[in-house]
Amino acid sequence: DSGVTQTPKHLITATGQRVTLRCSPRSGDLSVYWYQQSLDQGLQFLIQYYNGEERAKGNILERFSAQQFPDLHSELNLSSLELGDSALYFCASSPGLAPNPPPYEQYFGPGTRLTVT
Amino acid sequence: DAKTTQPPSMDCAEGRAANLPCNHSTISGNEYVYWYRQIHSQGPQYIIHGLKNNETNEMASLIITEDRKSSTLILPHATLRDTAVYYCIVSLDTDKLIFGTGTRLQVFP
Repeated sequence: DSGVTQTPKHLITATGQRVTLRCSPRSGDLSVYWYQQSLDQGLQFLIQYYNGEERAKGNILERFSAQQFPDLHSELNLSSLELGDSALYFCASSPGLAPNPPPYEQYFGPGTRLTVT
Repeated sequence: DAKTTQPPSMDCAEGRAANLPCNHSTISGNEYVYWYRQIHSQGPQYIIHGLKNNETNEMASLIITEDRKSSTLILPHATLRDTAVYYCIVSLDTDKLIFGTGTRLQVFP
């Protein structure tokens, strides 16, 4: 158990709909990351938040957005869903940034499996 | 970030050492080598990281060549539970981990 929790575990929805995935980081971790893993694309970094602020962006579509709340949990919002958005979505957390930080490992949650029909 | 090259798959007998190679010939001086693994659709799990020196922890050992252009992850006594996809990642910092296709390690009885 990594200490990172994600809800829901499974989500089935229809094309065109909007869903919200939730992530609670490990206690004390300030950074949250979102990844998408589909069969044909592998594990893709989407976005990172640090202490409520967006820190880095990866291959995140404009239809997707995320935020990190004051209690440090994060939500990933996926809208106008397409069949190709079906994937595993992972959240990870790490202690976060500091001046000249050491390399932190990322702790991954169990993922949310999204199926778009 | 430097690119990495890993064999797509490897086999290892249970109880034997599993040696997983990774080439990163374009690595720069400040980039770390990280290893993660993913067991069948679970969230990836951190294994180990290093910069220049060899590293060992309770899970594995990381051997980095002197020129830092390649490294080897060693699982000293592989078990069936070590069957997973192993990712070698080279990055300046934790915030930017780019996962490639990894090596699928199959441990057999």
